Amino acid sequence: EDKVVQSPLSLVVHEGDTVTLNCSYEVTNFRSLLWYKQEKKAPTFLFMLTSSGIEKKSGRLSSILDKKELFSILNITATQTGDSAIYLCAVNYQGAQKLVFGQGTRLTINP
Amino acid sequence: DAGITQSPRHKVTETGTPVTLRCHQTENHRYMYWYRQDPGHGLRLIHYSYGVKDTDKGEVSDGYSVSRSKTEDFLLTLESATSSQTSVYFCAISELGGTSYGYTFGSGTRLTVV
Repeated sequence: EDKVVQSPLSLVVHEGDTVTLNCSYEVTNFRSLLWYKQEKKAPTFLFMLTSSGIEKKSGRLSSILDKKELFSILNITATQTGDSAIYLCAVNYQGAQKLVFGQGTRLTINP
Repeated sequence: DAGITQSPRHKVTETGTPVTLRCHQTENHRYMYWYRQDPGHGLRLIHYSYGVKDTDKGEVSDGYSVSRSKTEDFLLTLESATSSQTSVYFCAISELGGTSYGYTFGSGTRLTVV
């Protein structure tokens, strides 16, 4: 059965800290891994990763994929209260026109 | 949420009643999805559609049915609502089935079954 597991499920840090969120997966014929940020409503797209070792970066957020060890990390540096959200990891695989999501990590940034 | 709207935004219904949630898109995307989101479970796929009248089940399809008679509309029906179906329901659309930039999500419908 296809599985996507995120850790930790919940994380509370202080503003300015750096955080690392983890996503591991077990799918047949992996194609891509995606990260989303969900604040109060709809999840919004952050990154899509398809190749190992190539870092995707957007401002203070970055992500990398390891296809050998079947995981990805999402890093956020110099966190701000606006980074408080649920971060969702999802995986797409060959032959499937759908995404399989992990449980999400609820990140809280305290001032 | 440009191009995708869900209705209603909130609904409270009684156990045993039928409920229909609507998802409408203006992007002409081929793929449409219904997910439910519950604490500790992330997003779980209920049903999805890959074209008009073409639908398939997801991992949590029991108690739900869907219909897609037009490209722009995807309806989710709870035949006889139960308290376990209290959840937040998200519709999503995709041009390429999640293979490029994933999905665009609607704002969600919060359903409470009492």
